[in-house]
Amino acid sequence: DGGITQSPKYLFRKEGQNVTLSCEQNLNHDAMYWYRQDPGQGLRLIYYSQIVNDFQKGDIAEGYSVSREKKESFPLTVTSAQKNPTAFYLCASSKRDTIYEQYFGPGTRLTVT
Amino acid sequence: KQEVTQIPAALSVPEGENLVLNCSFTDSAIYNLQWFRQDPGKGLTSLLLIQSSQREQTSGRLNASLDKSSGRSTLYIAASQPGDSATYLCAVWGNDYKLSFGAGTTVTVRA
Repeated sequence: DGGITQSPKYLFRKEGQNVTLSCEQNLNHDAMYWYRQDPGQGLRLIYYSQIVNDFQKGDIAEGYSVSREKKESFPLTVTSAQKNPTAFYLCASSKRDTIYEQYFGPGTRLTVT
Repeated sequence: KQEVTQIPAALSVPEGENLVLNCSFTDSAIYNLQWFRQDPGKGLTSLLLIQSSQREQTSGRLNASLDKSSGRSTLYIAASQPGDSATYLCAVWGNDYKLSFGAGTTVTVRA
């Protein structure tokens, strides 16, 4: 089955620790995205990558970092510099051709105490 | 900056009633528009994608219209069922190949 996997589903960390969220896709999509979702709000773009070894900041990149060493993988690190890291994190991917359609993974809920 | 608004924020209807969900966007220079469904604690499932040159798209009981010039899209769900209870999100693709999302409409269909 083709799709996007995110692990783990739930993640708990102490304040001051960095944590890395995994995102893998086997859809052969070029572009990958990370979003943050808070209760009652729409999705906000953290980082995105259109091709391997290249990525751009989204609207709320501060306190986050990413890498894109492989087409299939786009891990997100939430650093201790992120002021309010507790949220639901969603990874997505899309093709880069004439029709842009985005597909989402199941999400990771991060709780920092 | 593209702003996407969804009204109403929440909607409760009896089973069998038709649902009408509204989405508006401020910049009409869009590439595509997507409607998504999200169940509590889950990821987003793509329901319909409307290209900017299209006026509507249909899938089963779902129909979405797009009026790019007025910056509006409407999602119709016919003969609602309790299984349609979820949050529905509208998102527009800008020419920068990024999606801008509305905050969603949370639908409850009462049996």
